[in-house]
Amino acid sequence: SAVISQKPSRDICQRGTSLTIQCQVDSQVTMMFWYRQQPGQSLTLIATANQGSEATYESGFVIDKFPISRPNLTFSTLTVSNMSPEDSSIYLCSVEALRGANEQFFGPGTRLTVL
Amino acid sequence: GENVEQHPSTLSVQEGDSAVIKCTYSDSASNYFPWYKQELGKRPQLIIDIRSNVGEKKDQRIAVTLNKTAKHFSLHITETQPEDSAVYFCALQGPLGGFKTIFGAGTRLFVKA
Repeated sequence: SAVISQKPSRDICQRGTSLTIQCQVDSQVTMMFWYRQQPGQSLTLIATANQGSEATYESGFVIDKFPISRPNLTFSTLTVSNMSPEDSSIYLCSVEALRGANEQFFGPGTRLTVL
Repeated sequence: GENVEQHPSTLSVQEGDSAVIKCTYSDSASNYFPWYKQELGKRPQLIIDIRSNVGEKKDQRIAVTLNKTAKHFSLHITETQPEDSAVYFCALQGPLGGFKTIFGAGTRLFVKA
């Protein structure tokens, strides 16, 4: 299994500001994903981070609000832009080692609170 | 798109009893069915999974069964222990969802000592 780290682990931010979350994997992986988990809820896929091209966003999520970078096969960032209290959530990155390998592993998450 | 329904939302059992969580889905082409355990404040962890060419898989006290005809799969935990208390998510992958992982709503399991 891949070892995944995220930074920051938590943050408290002011409304209207932006936060960039980093996800680092200890090995090259084909697929990287970003999820949001609101308190007491399930995991909602925000987007698939594609290496070398634009991320693929799920319905209800847009690039202007959640810009994503993936410069290589071990690293990705998610930015939460122009934050509001509704963005308070846990953001998790996830990886699948090989397309079709199925097994998916999660990072420890970033707990974001927007005041 | 694909979705998966999970029941019950909350389950309370006595230590030593069995717990069963069931998920139903709609896309008959779904071919991968993992289960994740999430303890409070921690990341989801894969605990067991099953592929569509297998009907049952067991790993010590946990097992997963898949009924492709009825389109449901279940997690079985036997001899429950307090440390089994957590939220459990079923999930699946299939062509309708673009082979992305789709998660159920989760089941909060309480094991009473």
